[in-house]
Amino acid sequence: DAGVIQSPRHEVTEMGQEVTLRCKPISGHNSLFWYRQTMMRGLELLIYFNNNVPIDDSGMPEDRFSAKMPNASFSTLKIQPSEPRDSAVYFCASSPVTSSSYEQYFGPGTRLTVT
Amino acid sequence: GESVGLHLPTLSVQEGDNSIINCAYSNSASDYFIWYKQESGKGPQFIIDIRSNMDKRQGQRVTVLLNKTVKHLSLQIAATQPGDSAVYFCAENSGGSNYKLTFGKGTLLTVNP
Repeated sequence: DAGVIQSPRHEVTEMGQEVTLRCKPISGHNSLFWYRQTMMRGLELLIYFNNNVPIDDSGMPEDRFSAKMPNASFSTLKIQPSEPRDSAVYFCASSPVTSSSYEQYFGPGTRLTVT
Repeated sequence: GESVGLHLPTLSVQEGDNSIINCAYSNSASDYFIWYKQESGKGPQFIIDIRSNMDKRQGQRVTVLLNKTVKHLSLQIAATQPGDSAVYFCAENSGGSNYKLTFGKGTLLTVNP
């Protein structure tokens, strides 16, 4: 079991550039979550999908952020244009969501630095 | 300039001692709780979970206690080891069709050899 796969692991970009983060959830999991983690705000939920459909995007900071899940095995989080305050570690997590557990399995994260 | 960040609660213990990490939750409707461990440079990893119809659950070297009356959750780690050094997060879910976990700020556990 490869676990949740995220790419790239590190991204350094200049302000104004487009950034695309990628996630491959664990096969068979029906929910996918994108989080952002910073020292200032801790671990924040940005958006989550269930069966590839966005369910709650209330955590997306602003219109510069967008997320898609075109199929059950792939999701992207895009920031356009990027700003220095977007610098953070972005985690993707997936979950099988059963009647007895809401456990989420986290990927290793993408460390984004916007200069 | 000086940066202001989250002031994580910290707990420092000696190797071999037992550790107790506490968490207060806010939503009285929450019926599922979970503890995660996050080591430096890694994503959070599942430790143990508990539903609201239980007040105690044990795993390998870990025990979670739930007190719904005062909305308090604790994680006990027996015979703490240096490898237990990490940030520990509690999280809650209010059930139904809501699959979100709401995470606490975390507690930094440092184990001294």
